[in-house]
Amino acid sequence: TQLLEQSPQFLSIQEGENLTVYCNSSSVFSSLQWYRQEPGEGPVLLVTVVTGGEVKKLKRLTFQFGDARKDSSLHITAAQTGDTGLYLCAGVSSYGNNRLAFGKGNQVVVIP
Amino acid sequence: GAVVSQHPSRVICKSGTSVKIECRSLDFQATTMFWYRQFPKQSLMLMATSNEGSKATYEQGVEKDKFLINHASLTLSTLTVTSAHPEDSSFYICSASNRGHEQYFGPGTRLTVT
Repeated sequence: TQLLEQSPQFLSIQEGENLTVYCNSSSVFSSLQWYRQEPGEGPVLLVTVVTGGEVKKLKRLTFQFGDARKDSSLHITAAQTGDTGLYLCAGVSSYGNNRLAFGKGNQVVVIP
Repeated sequence: GAVVSQHPSRVICKSGTSVKIECRSLDFQATTMFWYRQFPKQSLMLMATSNEGSKATYEQGVEKDKFLINHASLTLSTLTVTSAHPEDSSFYICSASNRGHEQYFGPGTRLTVT
């Protein structure tokens, strides 16, 4: 079983502040995906990182994949209230069956 | 692109009855569909993987006779919860994939069994 640990589980910050959340594992993944989920809705794909050390930017969101492809981070610059949500990381199985292993998520609340 | 729908979005049923949830890929052909359930404040737990035209592969601990999955076409998969009980109440989410690693998720179905 490939497990992903996300930290912190809950984070509350003021609008305009920066934040970083983490996704860690002892397993190697062929790629890793970040999703944002709002209450009562399905997850929405934000980004896929594939190469160790890769950095991808999506407006104010910066995603980094660890060199060993075991961990990832999400950094949000100048957070806005619209960034509030549950951020889920999911690792693509290295067993080649396209199954995703999800972490428990980082609940982010941005206070106006 | 890559839109996935689910129907119904919410359903309430009585204990002992069966409920069918539909998952459709609206603008692409999904060779593989996945079914997840999610409890409050928990992550997504994979229940089963289904490929069009073949039997679903269930995760350990998921009863295949209770959660019937049919992937009849490249755009439709259904999950039927048979003889539902209150403990089956949950948020059920499907996702669809077309050969690649990326999965596109539906909006989920809230099932409440009374």
